[in-house]
Amino acid sequence: DGGITQSPKYLFRKEGQNVTLSCEQNLNHDAMYWYRQDPGQGLRLIYYSQIVNDFQKGDIAEGYSVSREKKESFPLTVTSAQKNPTAFYLCASSLTDGSHEQYFGPGTRLTVT
Amino acid sequence: GQSLEQPSEVTAVEGAIVQINCTYQTSGFYGLSWYQQHDGGAPTFLSYNGLDGLEETGRFSSFLSRSDSYGYLLLQELQMKDSASYFCAVRDRGTGFQKLVFGTGTRLLVSP
Repeated sequence: DGGITQSPKYLFRKEGQNVTLSCEQNLNHDAMYWYRQDPGQGLRLIYYSQIVNDFQKGDIAEGYSVSREKKESFPLTVTSAQKNPTAFYLCASSLTDGSHEQYFGPGTRLTVT
Repeated sequence: GQSLEQPSEVTAVEGAIVQINCTYQTSGFYGLSWYQQHDGGAPTFLSYNGLDGLEETGRFSSFLSRSDSYGYLLLQELQMKDSASYFCAVRDRGTGFQKLVFGTGTRLLVSP
């Protein structure tokens, strides 16, 4: 079955620690995305990648970093510089960056205390 | 800038019809999409309108009027499982990249 996996489902960290969220897809999609969702809010774009070895900042990139060394993988690191990291993080992919349909992973709920 | 407006919450009963509106303001526009998200779950794609008019997919239909910068999602024969949040999203060209910009979502509550 093709799809996107994110792990773990729930993650707890202490303030001041960096944490890396995993995202893997086997859909052979070129484009991948990271979104942040806060309670009662829409999805805000953190970073995106149109193709392997390339990525760009989205609307709220401060305090986050990514890599795209393989087509299938797009991990997100939440650094200690992110002022309010507690949120629901969603990874998505699409065939190309112009595709209107994005496929989402199950999400990781990060809690930082 | 970009902005999308949706009602925050809509309530309806099983078997009824409900319409969720979306108005948008974007610097570029390449289509309107709709996504469904159950609590704690991942958004899933429902429908897309690239041109004006109505698109029908089973119980769900979506409409777009580009001249009015307006669209809606129509859900017919409502079922309890339709209780979820619904997001409209516009395809907007950023700096050489077409990204999706999401509205804040409409929470639909379906009661028996």
